[in-house]
Amino acid sequence: RKEVEQDPGPFNVPEGATVAFNCTYSNSASQSFFWYRQDCRKEPKLLMSVYSSGNEDGRFTAQLNRASQYISLLIRDSKLSDSATYLCVVKANDYKLSFGAGTTVTVRA
Amino acid sequence: GAVVSQHPSWVICKSGTSVKIECRSLDFQATTMFWYRQFPKQSLMLMATSNEGSKATYEQGVEKDKFLINHASLTLSTLTVTSAHPEDSSFYICSANGLAGATDTQYFGPGTRLTVL
Repeated sequence: RKEVEQDPGPFNVPEGATVAFNCTYSNSASQSFFWYRQDCRKEPKLLMSVYSSGNEDGRFTAQLNRASQYISLLIRDSKLSDSATYLCVVKANDYKLSFGAGTTVTVRA
Repeated sequence: GAVVSQHPSWVICKSGTSVKIECRSLDFQATTMFWYRQFPKQSLMLMATSNEGSKATYEQGVEKDKFLINHASLTLSTLTVTSAHPEDSSFYICSANGLAGATDTQYFGPGTRLTVL
């Protein structure tokens, strides 16, 4: 079983729509959680950390459910520039990061 | 934010040759750097953890004699793909943690796209 699993999508949404997707992780000892964004043929870039109480950064909202071991990301008022692959990333008690394969989002005009 | 560079950004080589990739932390000292590999439509896979002044720690299934890692200074780690073959063609990305290790964030380099003919 993969350490981090994501729905690959693609999620194809119109501008202004809301899109949400989840990921699940297998290691119950995981301590830190992140969403990264990766554009085509580029390196991943940190979008936001995910905190237990849930957190928001502008149009992006992240939630963590430790009991069910899943993390979610919601994007409101989608922009064309939000088109990317979103990587769910989990860290256990060392510096190693475990990456999901990514969820592809395409925002159309 | 912290900046990590990689060189070269892309390389095409013949089968059997060796390729060296450099990863530099430009505005901070990195005691620990990480090397990842990403195949198309797949997740980043950690290859090895590189610690300054000591031997790298390789993940299971990664051949240490094929992927040589040297972390000679606090700002530079190198990955050498020895005797490269077409199946080694991939996107290689490094990342770095800060000196104090207090940051929860890894900063990624822009990646190196290797194509072995």
